Amino acid sequence: EAGVTQFPSHSVIEKGQTVTLRCDPISGHDNLYWYRRVMGKEIKFLLHFVKESKQDESGMPNNRFLAERTGGTYSTLKVQPAELEDSGVYFCASSAKGRGSNTEAFFGQGTRLTVV
Amino acid sequence: AQSVSQHNHHVILSEAASLELGCNYSYGGTVNLFWYVQYPGQHLQLLLKYFSGDPLVKGIKGFEAEFIKSKFSFNLRKPSVQWSDTAEYFCAVNALNFGNEKLTFGTGTRLTIIP
Repeated sequence: EAGVTQFPSHSVIEKGQTVTLRCDPISGHDNLYWYRRVMGKEIKFLLHFVKESKQDESGMPNNRFLAERTGGTYSTLKVQPAELEDSGVYFCASSAKGRGSNTEAFFGQGTRLTVV
Repeated sequence: AQSVSQHNHHVILSEAASLELGCNYSYGGTVNLFWYVQYPGQHLQLLLKYFSGDPLVKGIKGFEAEFIKSKFSFNLRKPSVQWSDTAEYFCAVNALNFGNEKLTFGTGTRLTIIP
């Protein structure tokens, strides 16, 4: 079974440009999460999809970030325009449908974004 | 809101030494607790988890962790480390809010094992 995959693995862009990150969750997983780790700090929650609906987007830093999950399958996270402080590793995770939070999240390898 | 503290930022040990990584969380309600590991160049993977029951949980690769509710702690242990345990370790919690399993992570502990 394929795991969570993320594209690209690395991205270097200039300040002001746009970048789109993609996440393909494990097939059949309703829950999809985006997290971000800025260098040296903790991995922070960005948002949570249940199928195509945004369940919780309380961690999104500002309106330069737009996440979508059309059709409830893969998800994209667009940063437009990118700023220097957006640099970090963006992780995607997915988990099966579950109630009461007793489900394990599986993570992708992450996308390392560097804004110069 | 919950928070997680990992007090050891970088730990260096020799092979066969015993390991204990500290994790404390702050949340007044019921939580699930996790330890994740990221080996160099690989994705985050689950080492072990605590949902309920026996507070001493065993995970993969000989790791175990003990949930001490009164201390809000979930320390990770391994009696004898190997060079291949070199990795970054993350403690995480999620609050049992129905329908949202988002994780709150600590800052991570980088473990270096010297052969």
